[in-house]
Amino acid sequence: GNSVTQMEGPVTLSEEAFLTINCTYTATGYPSLFWYVQYPGEGLQLLLKATKADDKGSNKGFEATYRKETTSFHLEKGSVQVSDSAVYFCALSPLTGGGNKLTFGTGTQLKVEL
Amino acid sequence: KAGVTQTPRYLIKTRGQQVTLSCSPISGHRSVSWYQQTPGQGLQFLFEYFSETQRNKGNFPGRFSGRQFSNSRSEMNVSTLELGDSALYLCASSFSPTQETQYFGPGTRLLVL
Repeated sequence: GNSVTQMEGPVTLSEEAFLTINCTYTATGYPSLFWYVQYPGEGLQLLLKATKADDKGSNKGFEATYRKETTSFHLEKGSVQVSDSAVYFCALSPLTGGGNKLTFGTGTQLKVEL
Repeated sequence: KAGVTQTPRYLIKTRGQQVTLSCSPISGHRSVSWYQQTPGQGLQFLFEYFSETQRNKGNFPGRFSGRQFSNSRSEMNVSTLELGDSALYLCASSFSPTQETQYFGPGTRLLVL
């Protein structure tokens, strides 16, 4: 079956530090890949997505590249801010048969300190 | 355009009771999915509806059910509540059920005592 593996958290960084959150996946075919962010007490917000190999998703300074050869979709940001503190979820949506069923990773909590 | 709305936002029930949660998708979206989020199990898919038909179902007992109306609004029902049903229930909508980006609502937080 499909699965997503994320790095364990929490990740604690100083403001303006470089961020990487690792995400690898297992799926047949070419799934779509997503990063969602969840702020305390809220639902999930789509951060970025990529639908095919070598696509780069980007939004609000965050980037992730769909790497078919390493089955990875790592999230990066060059300079984090305190306001980026949240939980980040990597997810995949299968190409066929699974409709819009998202499979999520366990989430990585990010804490950014001044 | 208004986002996905869920009602109620918070709910407290006791074991054995049943509960109905409601979700209104983004205007024009016809696919609605439900997810359960708990600290122990994370985010798990419950079911997906499109054009009033259930297209996919996750690995949950039959106590969990749902439906979709002709206006795409959806409800989920949990009967005979158990303590372990305490969770954040998230609804997501998309235009169609084919690998589309899903947009999530704020969730309904259910506490079972």
